Amino acid sequence: QSALTQPPSVSGSPGQSVTISCTGTSSDVGSYNRVSWYQQPPGTAPTLMIYEVSNRPSGVPDRFSGSKSGNTASLTISGLQAEDEADYYCSSYTSSSTFVFGTGTKVTVL
Amino acid sequence: EVQLVESGGGLVQPGGSLRLSCAASGFAFSSYWMHWVRQAPGKGLVWVSRINSDGSNTNYADSVKGRFTISRDNAKNTLYLQMNSLRVEDTAVYYCAPQKDYSTNPWGQGTLVTVSS
Repeated sequence: QSALTQPPSVSGSPGQSVTISCTGTSSDVGSYNRVSWYQQPPGTAPTLMIYEVSNRPSGVPDRFSGSKSGNTASLTISGLQAEDEADYYCSSYTSSSTFVFGTGTKVTVL
Repeated sequence: EVQLVESGGGLVQPGGSLRLSCAASGFAFSSYWMHWVRQAPGKGLVWVSRINSDGSNTNYADSVKGRFTISRDNAKNTLYLQMNSLRVEDTAVYYCAPQKDYSTNPWGQGTLVTVSS
């Protein structure tokens, strides 16, 4: 149950786009369209941003989008805004009927 | 409005035990799988365990298997995590959350467990 691999940090100026990768294996990301993304501002609990690879819960801006290719999932934030500054985590269901989170990525708005 | 309130955290010595509770309201608790996720101070999220709607099926992370037990009382809309043989590395904020579409949403505010001598 090794954590999914994410870049430690990404940054962009307001209005730009940033993409966060999430690399797993054929036992998790590669086998299921059951990848989720969570946003966690400092000092708060995580909130769901994307589920099942590319679906947005109600209330999540359409600036947030998700995709997957092979063993790697991605979260793209388009039109970056100051309030998007937070930690982001991916998560995947696994072939062991468990779940695994990514290592986390800090998004900085320059 | 969905509410999840975790409680039961605190300071415990290595080797000790603690039982966490998660009181749920605002949704059909008895219809959902429920999860525990933890986050060590300054670290990332780590999945701990989940339980199905009637309590008959459970899954655990390897790091807690054999030491932690997840359970639920649907009559009380409450989820539990019994933690035994606690280790320093179990120190974390523990969150509960319902599962929907293989994601967990929303999350409670968490309860802090500190394992230290």
